[in-house]
Amino acid sequence: QSALTQPPSASGSPGQSVTISCAGTSSDVGAFNYVSWYQQHPGKAPKLMIYDVSKRPSGVPDRFSGSKSGNTASLTVSGLQTEDEADYYCTSYAGSNNLVFGGGTKLTVL
Amino acid sequence: QVQLVQSGAEVTKPGASVRVSCKASGYTFTGHHIHWVRQAPGQGLEWMGWINPNTAGTNYAQNFQGWVAMTRDTSISTVYMELSRLKSDDTAVYYCARVGGTGATTYLDYWGQGTLVTVSS
Repeated sequence: QSALTQPPSASGSPGQSVTISCAGTSSDVGAFNYVSWYQQHPGKAPKLMIYDVSKRPSGVPDRFSGSKSGNTASLTVSGLQTEDEADYYCTSYAGSNNLVFGGGTKLTVL
Repeated sequence: QVQLVQSGAEVTKPGASVRVSCKASGYTFTGHHIHWVRQAPGQGLEWMGWINPNTAGTNYAQNFQGWVAMTRDTSISTVYMELSRLKSDDTAVYYCARVGGTGATTYLDYWGQGTLVTVSS
């Protein structure tokens, strides 16, 4: 299975909103509601931010939201804060008990 | 609280094998699948596969079939990932991560701290 497609970079100023896309196919993102998003700061393990397309784990600020349309999922960060600067990865269930990751997006808070 | 604690950094030679451990605590070990994900220096996350600690069943990503093996020891709540015939481009941080919920492949809610494996002659 091929990796999901994310833009390599995204940016926004504090307080603004930014949306990161995650393009898949009708065999992964489009077929299942098992898209999740992870935040990774340098030198740290990834952290779950969104699961099942739009659900937030306990403790994740409601500034983070997820959605899906067709074969593309999106992560929106509203009210950007400096601590949101990190790499973000999407994943999707791809059938046959397989998982596929996106290539990652580096979010810069200007 | 849920914790996944991995073994320490490894330095190994091309052609050798490496085994990384991941010790779980704070939850029922056999109730959640464990996945392995690696990250080469400066690169993105790459999914390797999973193990069901209850049945020892496994599912490996196509890129790793034939040279990765995931096992578990329920007596000490630990899963292992062994990679063989190592090459220099296997140099990476290897993470274990727990699946949230009861499915095999939904989302990964807790991650280990990562283990750096360096392959160098």
